Amino acid sequence: RKEVEQDPGPFNVPEGATVAFNCTYSNSASQSFFWYRQDCRKEPKLLMSVYSSGNEDGRFTAQLNRASQYISLLIRDSKLSDSATYLCVVNKADTGRRALTFGSGTRLQVQP
Amino acid sequence: DGGITQSPKYLFRKEGQNVTLSCEQNLNHDAMYWYRQDPGQGLRLIYYSQIVNDFQKGDIAEGYSVSREKKESFPLTVTSAQKNPTAFYLCASSLWDRAGELFFGEGSRLTVL
Repeated sequence: RKEVEQDPGPFNVPEGATVAFNCTYSNSASQSFFWYRQDCRKEPKLLMSVYSSGNEDGRFTAQLNRASQYISLLIRDSKLSDSATYLCVVNKADTGRRALTFGSGTRLQVQP
Repeated sequence: DGGITQSPKYLFRKEGQNVTLSCEQNLNHDAMYWYRQDPGQGLRLIYYSQIVNDFQKGDIAEGYSVSREKKESFPLTVTSAQKNPTAFYLCASSLWDRAGELFFGEGSRLTVL
């Protein structure tokens, strides 16, 4: 089983739609969680951190469910510019080592 | 502007040749990282460095080498021992206590002919 799993998609949605992605992780000791956005053939960029209580940044809402070991990203009122691959990232809890585990990403295509 | 600069963006190499990818940052970050990305896969950690003159192997260090002689610089050498070197290589940096908040360079795309 992969440490971090995501549905690769693509999710094809019309402009203005609400779309949600889930990401599951296998290490119950994982401590911190993030969503990154990666445009085609570009570098990833941090979209938002995921806090235990859930957090919102404009049209984007991130949630963490430790009991079921998944995080989610909700995008409201989708824009064409939201088209990208969204990477779920989990901080390993290995002792003495700070390293992240990246999911393979979920591709979103917002259509006019 | 502060950021991370990788060079070259595109590189072609013949089998059996070593190649060095450059990574420079002016963000004053202590930690620097090298990742590899293959199609349909997540980023995989090659090496990382927390401080000058120190670095640690990541998950896929075989066939690669690094150095950290200056805080700003973390070059990666892809040696001929790396069996499948064709990939997208990403350098990143972070504050030491914010390891999840990575700043990436634009990447170097290496193709072995």
